[in-house]
Amino acid sequence: SYELTQPPSVSVSPGQTASITCSGDKLGDKYASWYQQKPGQSPVLVIYQDNKRPSGIPERFSGSNSGNTATLTISGTQAMDEADYYCQAWDSSTWVFGGGTKLTVL
Amino acid sequence: QVQLVQSGAEVKKPGASVKVSCKASGYTFTNYDINWVRQATGQGLEWMGWMNPNSGNTGYAQKFQGRVTMTRNTSISTAYMELSSLRSEDTAVYYCARGQGTTWGQGTLVTVSS
Repeated sequence: SYELTQPPSVSVSPGQTASITCSGDKLGDKYASWYQQKPGQSPVLVIYQDNKRPSGIPERFSGSNSGNTATLTISGTQAMDEADYYCQAWDSSTWVFGGGTKLTVL
Repeated sequence: QVQLVQSGAEVKKPGASVKVSCKASGYTFTNYDINWVRQATGQGLEWMGWMNPNSGNTGYAQKFQGRVTMTRNTSISTAYMELSSLRSEDTAVYYCARGQGTTWGQGTLVTVSS
């Protein structure tokens, strides 16, 4: 079955740029999405179709996907961005999630 | 506004079944697939399957084949996910999500305990 791999944790200082990677075999040939989840809350879609932002998502969130790696980039990271982030892709009509990355804003 | 409202928490015994509902509002229910995702405490997201509310067609993750059934009632814009033969490992929050994941329900905690 298809697998997506994320680093368990990423740390960033306020105002700096955070990058969270997601790796999978030929992931660049699929569409990648990213979700933000804060404790006790439902996931929120922040990036879909590799690099599109849903309405209401700040411009500091961006995405890219090429080769075997998709990347979520948060520019000018704020304290409110501290959360778990999950990548997701479609494979053979199924959703596949990465294991999640805890973003800590120090 | 687009909203998915799920049914309340459930406590079930091992071997029983649970049926979670997901009521859609603010959009045409039959225009978007409904996906079901679960999350055990402290764990990641796990996709269970999808349903097309218009046709009723479904697709299930291999892990849940034979144990999960996804249905809908279009007259009340509600999707359902039923999981049978429950075991303790099924204790989790269950979410419904619209289409590409643009909108999620608030989650339903299902606890399986003897």
